[in-house]
Amino acid sequence: DTAVSQTPKYLVTQMGNDKSIKCEQNLGHDTMYWYKQDSKKFLKIMFSYNNKELIINETVPNRFSPKSPDKAHLNLHINSLELGDSAVYFCASSQDILAGGGLTDTQYFGPGTRLTVL
Amino acid sequence: GENVEQHPSTLSVQEGDSAVIKCTYSDSASNYFPWYKQELGKGPQLIIDIRSNVGEKKDQRIAVTLNKTAKHFSLHITETQPEDSAVYFCAAVDEKLTFGTGTRLTIIP
Repeated sequence: DTAVSQTPKYLVTQMGNDKSIKCEQNLGHDTMYWYKQDSKKFLKIMFSYNNKELIINETVPNRFSPKSPDKAHLNLHINSLELGDSAVYFCASSQDILAGGGLTDTQYFGPGTRLTVL
Repeated sequence: GENVEQHPSTLSVQEGDSAVIKCTYSDSASNYFPWYKQELGKGPQLIIDIRSNVGEKKDQRIAVTLNKTAKHFSLHITETQPEDSAVYFCAAVDEKLTFGTGTRLTIIP
């Protein structure tokens, strides 16, 4: 009955490879997010999607491409992985987003995916 | 854009004592201020939040205060217990959620 789930939990790969991280939420929320947490624990938003539509794209390299097949899923595909991509990636979801772009509700986070690029 | 500063970065407190974590934000348009607790190997979990029309909110041993004029908000944990040990993040929300830099709280038994 996990609310926000991510797979895989750990991902170890070589530089230059392409990998995907999957996220699913069963809360019925309209908005989903990807965050990156670096080794110093800084948490920064990367993307947000509302009803499968991209809302926020925070100057993330275009090697990162989110895909939302439906509003319960938001996957993150990363091309040509670099050493600096090593981090923990968190998916999150919230109920809604205001028409003006403001967040209206609590975000619920998944357990994270620890990506290590060798 | 919004900038959230958080202090201290580490905090050790004797079990049973109180812990206070302080944050400041820069964007006066921010109107929602959640606090998250992150345990080792887990995602951040919301523990309490406050909206801009409220000055204080309490939930059992946890309280949050907000001073919109000074752009300060604080988390207070009373009667600390070992299970309170974690990293705590404040955040400010306008168009997106901007996190503070985190406080590693250690409760000493």
